[in-house]
Amino acid sequence: DTGVSQDPRHKITKRGQNVTFRCDPISEHNRLYWYRQTLGQGPEFLTYFQNEAQLEKSRLLSDRFSAERPKGSFSTLEIQRTEQGDSAMYLCASSALARNTGELFFGEGSRLTVL
Amino acid sequence: RKEVEQDPGPFNVPEGATVAFNCTYSNSASQSFFWYRQDCRKEPKLLMSVYSSGNEDGRFTAQLNRASQYISLLIRDSKLSDSATYLCVVEGGNTGFQKLVFGTGTRLLVSP
Repeated sequence: DTGVSQDPRHKITKRGQNVTFRCDPISEHNRLYWYRQTLGQGPEFLTYFQNEAQLEKSRLLSDRFSAERPKGSFSTLEIQRTEQGDSAMYLCASSALARNTGELFFGEGSRLTVL
Repeated sequence: RKEVEQDPGPFNVPEGATVAFNCTYSNSASQSFFWYRQDCRKEPKLLMSVYSSGNEDGRFTAQLNRASQYISLLIRDSKLSDSATYLCVVEGGNTGFQKLVFGTGTRLLVSP
């Protein structure tokens, strides 16, 4: 078990460009979450998948954000036309539906800097 | 009002001290409560769940007061390695969906 992995770990982009982050959850975890964290704040919920179905999406997520989990395994989070306010750490987490313990296993995150 | 509110600190304490963190939450339908720990530039990790009857894990004690919508974490005999940010986490309360809502975190600095 290699844990939750995220790629890339760091991304610097210019305002207006599109970026995509990938998350590989722990195998057999059917729940997958995306959170965003900025300095001095706790993680903010963005969206949630159960298997391939996106079941909830935060109102924080503008139309520029889209997430997919096409085969119920890895997930991608795309941000179109990035803005400076999108600069943050994007955290992916996974958990197993059968074990509703509240334990989310987070990846190390993808840090986005928009210039 | 934020769903989960915490004092951001930092709390500066000497080794061996006892320190307590508090947290309030706004969603009275929430059923599950947790404390997560986040080290600097690392991902959050589950520290412990919080039960109505209170629960203890070594030097850590968590308490829940549903009537006041208040959660606490007590750390006894602080160690240098306890220095971290402690995140109060509340399950979102939507039926059938476990969305965890994180507080801003309370930063703890334990000094020699």
